[in-house]
Amino acid sequence: AQTVTQSQPEMSVQEAETVTLSCTYDTSESNYYLFWYKQPPSRQMILVIRQEAYKQQNATENRFSVNFQKAAKSFSLKISDSQLGDTAMYFCALPYSGNTPLVFGKGTRLSVIA
Amino acid sequence: DGGITQSPKYLFRKEGQNVTLSCEQNLNHDAMYWYRQDPGQGLRLIYYSQIVNDFQKGDIAEGYSVSREKKESFPLTVTSAQKNPTAFYLCASSSAIRAYEQYFGPGTRLTVT
Repeated sequence: AQTVTQSQPEMSVQEAETVTLSCTYDTSESNYYLFWYKQPPSRQMILVIRQEAYKQQNATENRFSVNFQKAAKSFSLKISDSQLGDTAMYFCALPYSGNTPLVFGKGTRLSVIA
Repeated sequence: DGGITQSPKYLFRKEGQNVTLSCEQNLNHDAMYWYRQDPGQGLRLIYYSQIVNDFQKGDIAEGYSVSREKKESFPLTVTSAQKNPTAFYLCASSSAIRAYEQYFGPGTRLTVT
């Protein structure tokens, strides 16, 4: 069964600094997607970034990038030039299998400090 | 504007009462999902539906029921059999061929006392 583990319940970072959130996972699929979602205090879930497992190149979206290590089943999120608006819960997720619902990690609460 | 609506944002019920949470989407998505969020637990799948008149149980379906009579709507009923119903409930939808790309509604906070 697919599992997602986020080992950092809470983190903090100074504004303008860089922070990395960790995620490890387990899956029996050979091709799959991985996701990072952001949930700000409004509680609206927002897709931050997506990685396709068959692509070796790490995904990047503006200040957000991932370090995808397929063999190690690791999928960390790096936030550069942190902003106050980045304060949120961050969830790592992958599909149960193929084209199906998502399995989520327990989340990391990130606080950006001015 | 296309999107997912959930109503109401806050819902209060007495223990022993069934309550139905609404979820509507106008994205023309085939698949819809219900997740439950508790502090420190992340999101857990309750039910999902990939097509009208069909749905599957998720990891924590006990005490819940759903229907999918219309493509746009996927209401969730929290029954009195659900032991700990107080939680934040999120509805999501996706296209059939890109089920992994899920769009979320704003959520409903249910409090049962």
